[in-house]
Amino acid sequence: KAGVTQTPRYLIKTRGQQVTLSCSPISGHRSVSWYQQTPGQGLQFLFEYFSETQRNKGNFPGRFSGRQFSNSRSEMNVSTLELGDSALYLCASSLAEGASGELFFGEGSRLTVL
Amino acid sequence: DAKTTQPPSMDCAEGRAANLPCNHSTISGNEYVYWYRQIHSQGPQYIIHGLKNNETNEMASLIITEDRKSSTLILPHATLRDTAVYYCIVRVALGAAGNKLTFGGGTRVLVKP
Repeated sequence: KAGVTQTPRYLIKTRGQQVTLSCSPISGHRSVSWYQQTPGQGLQFLFEYFSETQRNKGNFPGRFSGRQFSNSRSEMNVSTLELGDSALYLCASSLAEGASGELFFGEGSRLTVL
Repeated sequence: DAKTTQPPSMDCAEGRAANLPCNHSTISGNEYVYWYRQIHSQGPQYIIHGLKNNETNEMASLIITEDRKSSTLILPHATLRDTAVYYCIVRVALGAAGNKLTFGGGTRVLVKP
């Protein structure tokens, strides 16, 4: 079956712009979470959605937001981009609501802010 | 959330077993130990997970100490394709508040011919 699909894979923006990243989870998965990966900070949790509700949020400024649609697809948005937002943004989906289920990651969207 | 401590890097000979340690001394009873690996900025790949008992699958074995304060991931016959960064993660279910993964620095494993 198809894995987690993230689009776009690569994008370049300039400071002050905003960006929207998309994530299509594995069919049937209702939990989608987002992570930011940078060389300096490593992998950091952004937020998680389950059945269109944000259930948990990491320690990121309000410029980072997201949402989940009724078909479980998710988008995240970063407004007023800063150079430090350059990163690999990873989406993961899970079938189970609890912690015992496997989390499947997509290949990521690599954002470069100039 | 419990934090994990892993050695930053290790080398392993091709064909030999690779034993990757992880310390999670503050783990609590409802927290699982997960292992993922990431190859050259691809998305992390699930390897194995466990709560209390040792686990084995087609990729690896997970040995969890009786007090659950540490664990070891074993790759039984390392190949060059196993070169990656391996992350030991403690995953807590927060009930209605959802799931949250806390990644440590990982261990960069280099499998040498």
